[in-house]
Amino acid sequence: SQTIHQWPATLVQPVGSPLSLECTVEGTSNPNLYWYRQAAGRGLQLLFYSVGIGQISSEVPQNLSASRPQDRQFILSSKKLLLSDSGFYLCAWSEGYSNQPQHFGDGTRLSIL
Amino acid sequence: DQQVKQNSPSLSVQEGRISILNCDYTNSMFDYFLWYKKYPAEGPTFLISISSIKDKNEDGRFTVFLNKSAKHLSLHIVPSQPGDSAVYFCAADRGSQGNLIFGKGTKLSVKP
Repeated sequence: SQTIHQWPATLVQPVGSPLSLECTVEGTSNPNLYWYRQAAGRGLQLLFYSVGIGQISSEVPQNLSASRPQDRQFILSSKKLLLSDSGFYLCAWSEGYSNQPQHFGDGTRLSIL
Repeated sequence: DQQVKQNSPSLSVQEGRISILNCDYTNSMFDYFLWYKKYPAEGPTFLISISSIKDKNEDGRFTVFLNKSAKHLSLHIVPSQPGDSAVYFCAADRGSQGNLIFGKGTKLSVKP
């Protein structure tokens, strides 16, 4: 069966520091991969998605970037964190064809001080 | 501009009764709809989905109804159990690489 791993579970970072969140999927090949953010009191907002290695699409302009160096690895990064980057970050995967549910990891709670 | 709306932030139901969670959408291009359940500090868990070519899909205690003319869908949970207490998110897919648009969620509390 497929599993998705996301780490760390919580992270406290100072303003201006770099960020790297990692997500890996097991048990499937060539999945679509996604990064979401949930701000307090709001729904999930799609940040990036990827349909293959090295292919990244961004949904909203922001201080973050994403990379997919391997088929089942998705990384969310920032060179300099802002206070507004605080939130709950979720990675998800789906099969690579239409009308398939996305399956989420357990998320990373990021607090910027 | 919210394309997927869950107008009730919270819902309280007695154990054993029916829970009905509602969701409205504005974009007629959406062709696939999903419901997710989320506990605190965890990622959302996929519950049930429905394609726009159907008006009902059932899986155990969970049934999703889709009314395309009203751009409305609902999730029915029968019978409700205390373990169903969570935040429920409605999501819609435009069919482009699975980019889901989520509502803000409804917090369901099932009281024993």
